[in-house]
Amino acid sequence: GQQLNQSPQSMFIQEGEDVSMNCTSSSIFNTWLWYKQDPGEGPVLLIALYKAGELTSNGRLTAQFGITRKDSFLNISASIPSDVGIYFCAGPTYSGAGSYQLTFGKGTKLSVIP
Amino acid sequence: DADVTQTPRNRITKTGKRIMLECSQTKGHDRMYWYRQDPGLGLRLIYYSFDVKDINKGEISDGYSVSRQAQAKFSLSLESAIPNQTALYFCATSDLMNTEAFFGQGTRLTVV
Repeated sequence: GQQLNQSPQSMFIQEGEDVSMNCTSSSIFNTWLWYKQDPGEGPVLLIALYKAGELTSNGRLTAQFGITRKDSFLNISASIPSDVGIYFCAGPTYSGAGSYQLTFGKGTKLSVIP
Repeated sequence: DADVTQTPRNRITKTGKRIMLECSQTKGHDRMYWYRQDPGLGLRLIYYSFDVKDINKGEISDGYSVSRQAQAKFSLSLESAIPNQTALYFCATSDLMNTEAFFGQGTRLTVV
C-alpha cells in the first residue's frame, strides 16, 4: 500500500526556534493532513490541505501541499514548550468500492528545551 | 464530554485472556476506525467500518475482531491476548464526505 515517510524522526530544539518537518510519498495524494499528539492523548487535527500548492496557516503553524502532490511540509514558528509532542502527516488511500482510509506517517517527535 | 470516548483508558491483562475495548462517539459520524500505536511505528489500522453493516480489515487485523453495535459504538476484541499486542489503541471517526479523522484519548493495553 501507499506509505508516507516523515522526517526527521525526532528533533530537539530550543524554545523560540523555528521548526520544519516534512512528509513524502512515492504516490500522489489528493489531501494532506497534519495531526499533533500530546503525550498521553489522541492525535488532534492541526491543518488540512486539499489543493496542490496550497499554503495554510493555523496560528504559528504553516503547512504546504507540495506541487507534485507527493509531499507536504509543516513549519512551526517561535516554538514554545507546549509544542512538545508527536506530529503525524496523513493522507487518504483508496480502499476499494469508492472508499478511502487514512494512512499515517510514523511521526516526528518534537522536544522543546526551555 | 469528549466526542469520541474510549473505555477503559488503561488495562493490564494476562496472556490468553479475551479482552474488549469499547468506543462510543457523539459526532454522528458513519465511519469508525481502530488503530494501534507502537513507538516508532506510527498509527496502523486494525479494522474499520463505514456503517453498521460494513466491517473491513485493515493493515494488521490478525488476532483482533470488531463489532459495530450501532452507529455510535464500535468495539475491538482480542480473542486470546498475547504480549506483542501490548500497545496504545485508538478509536477514530470520520464522516462520509470527509477523510479527516477524530480520535479518542486512547486505551493503553498491557498483556503480561
